[in-house]
Amino acid sequence: DTEVTQTPKHLVMGMTNKKSLKCEQHMGHRAMYWYKQKAKKPPELMFVYSYEKLSINESVPSRFSPECPNSSLLNLHLHALQPEDSALYLCASSLLGGQPYNEQFFGPGTRLTVL
Amino acid sequence: AQSVTQPDIHITVSEGASLELRCNYSYGATPYLFWYVQSPGQGLQLLLKYFSGDTLVQGIKGFEAEFKRSQSSFNLRKPSVHWSDAAEYFCAVGARNFNKFYFGSGTKLNVKP
Repeated sequence: DTEVTQTPKHLVMGMTNKKSLKCEQHMGHRAMYWYKQKAKKPPELMFVYSYEKLSINESVPSRFSPECPNSSLLNLHLHALQPEDSALYLCASSLLGGQPYNEQFFGPGTRLTVL
Repeated sequence: AQSVTQPDIHITVSEGASLELRCNYSYGATPYLFWYVQSPGQGLQLLLKYFSGDTLVQGIKGFEAEFKRSQSSFNLRKPSVHWSDAAEYFCAVGARNFNKFYFGSGTKLNVKP
């Protein structure tokens, strides 16, 4: 299995809703990432987990809450989002946490719309 | 500070023509360089990467890139473009000691029949 899967593919939520995005990989990777990508822009790093521990938080608002229950699974919990949070949310993983030179494998993304 | 510049926002080439997408980086040490491709609404797929050694690297789908330290460049090339190559292309540099990529702003490639 050489892919990163993300669910759901699309999500529409209101500003008072609570929802979660899920990411899964079974490649034995020990680093996992969340990115946010707005239209016609490059991905922006949000969080990095290395060996299931949060290692990088790029000053993301607390309405986004990441969770890494195990080495294969990464969640992003969403609460009280704003319309400007509408974007494509990408998950990625790489082979070794803490190593700078391993390429990241990306999932297909979740298209989030906040009404 | 690390940064990546892709000077061309849009490029249009005819099918069968050659392609070169430009990437310039700013980095204080030996860079780790990547090219990714993204089709509309999809995730990113790695085309090729450079860590060290031979400065001409081969990737998937017939792409290659050349690392030129003197010019701080890592340009992507393909000798003959296919209609299916139409997509967004991102150059990225990996930061030493951190699991962090710095992406360029992307180049959107259109392919004319």
